[in-house]
Amino acid sequence: DADVTQTPRNRITKTGKRIMLECSQTKGHDRMYWYRQDPGLGLQLIYYSFDVKDINKGEISDGYSVSRQAQAKFSLSLESAIPNQTALYFCATSVAGDYYNEQFFGPGTRLTVL
Amino acid sequence: GNSVTQMEGPVTLSEEAFLTINCTYTATGYPSLFWYVQYPGEGLQLLLKATKADDKGSNKGFEATYRKETTSFHLEKGSVQVSDSAVYFCALSAAPNRDDKIIFGKGTRLHILP
Repeated sequence: DADVTQTPRNRITKTGKRIMLECSQTKGHDRMYWYRQDPGLGLQLIYYSFDVKDINKGEISDGYSVSRQAQAKFSLSLESAIPNQTALYFCATSVAGDYYNEQFFGPGTRLTVL
Repeated sequence: GNSVTQMEGPVTLSEEAFLTINCTYTATGYPSLFWYVQYPGEGLQLLLKATKADDKGSNKGFEATYRKETTSFHLEKGSVQVSDSAVYFCALSAAPNRDDKIIFGKGTRLHILP
């Protein structure tokens, strides 16, 4: 079944370390997104990409960077991790031109920064 | 700006009880409205959707009606099951079929007791 996968699923790191979270999709969708989920705050958009050459900042992009290596791959990097970046991170995809803009989510990466 | 407000949780019910999770929105134009569900350890998945006033979205026994006059999209289910325990997110897409993003509410955690 076509899918959105994220690696790693869990990661513990230390303050100041560089870390990369990866997302791959086999859905053939053009659009990809990175969200952060904190308890009681819902989902906050970090970055989004409408195609390989179109990358945009979301509401909370500070401290994060992204790379769209191919249509199917969208990576999120924390250049120097800090404890308040401890959260659950989700990648999502959607179809360009979809009237409903339905998004398809990966299983998430739980990141802990000590 | 556009926003979604949903009732805070957690909501705890006994099996076979009636469920309502309230959701109201603020948006310009004619947004599409969604309910997403997040089961434990998983990413979000679309539960149901509605694109215009008086539309009723339904899936897995859940229903929600797009009420433009009250700017609401409340989620209901007549008889909940233990397997419905999850976090539910109300969301809107303010400009369907254009380059716009989904705005999520903060989520409501639902616990169903056997």
